[in-house]
Amino acid sequence: GNSVTQMEGPVTLSEEAFLTINCTYTATGYPSLFWYVQYPGEGLQLLLKATKADDKGSNKGFEATYRKETTSFHLEKGSVQVSDSAVYFCALSQLSGTYKYIFGTGTRLKVLA
Amino acid sequence: GAGVSQTPSNKVTEKGKYVELRCDPISGHTALYWYRQSLGQGPEFLIYFQGTGAADDSGLPNDRFFAVRPEGSVSTLKIQRTERGDSAVYLCASSLTPLGGYNEQFFGPGTRLTVL
Repeated sequence: GNSVTQMEGPVTLSEEAFLTINCTYTATGYPSLFWYVQYPGEGLQLLLKATKADDKGSNKGFEATYRKETTSFHLEKGSVQVSDSAVYFCALSQLSGTYKYIFGTGTRLKVLA
Repeated sequence: GAGVSQTPSNKVTEKGKYVELRCDPISGHTALYWYRQSLGQGPEFLIYFQGTGAADDSGLPNDRFFAVRPEGSVSTLKIQRTERGDSAVYLCASSLTPLGGYNEQFFGPGTRLTVL
């Protein structure tokens, strides 16, 4: 069945460091891919998305490229801030039927000043 | 505009009791989803409504769990004879009718259920 695998956390970085959070998926066909972020005490928020191969989603300095050949959707940011500390979830949406999301287990990011 | 709202935000109950969790989706969103997020895990799908009907309830863990959406808007997740293993955050999400594989879901803040 369809699945999403994320790198395990927690990830601890200093402010202004480069961030990569790996995400790979298994799916039939070409699903839509998402990164959601959950800040402390808040609900899930969409960070960025990509709907087809080679699409690049970007938002708030974060980027992720839909790589069909490696079935990956890694999240990157060139210079993290303390305010980026949160839990990040990679997810895919099936192409038909229910369009339900399948989430990874989440990666906790802590950015130190 | 208003986002997805869920009530209560926290619910503490005793083992064996019945609970109801409510979700108010974004106005005009025909699709509604329930997910369950256990500690340290990603959300897991429970049930999907398109309008008033449950189009997919394959994620419900057992027959103690049931959900309704009688008028195609507000939904209630019902859990009978709660067990300690039901403790989790229950998330609701809504979206416009999914088309062509693209479906952005908007999540509520969740209800944290604790079964003692």
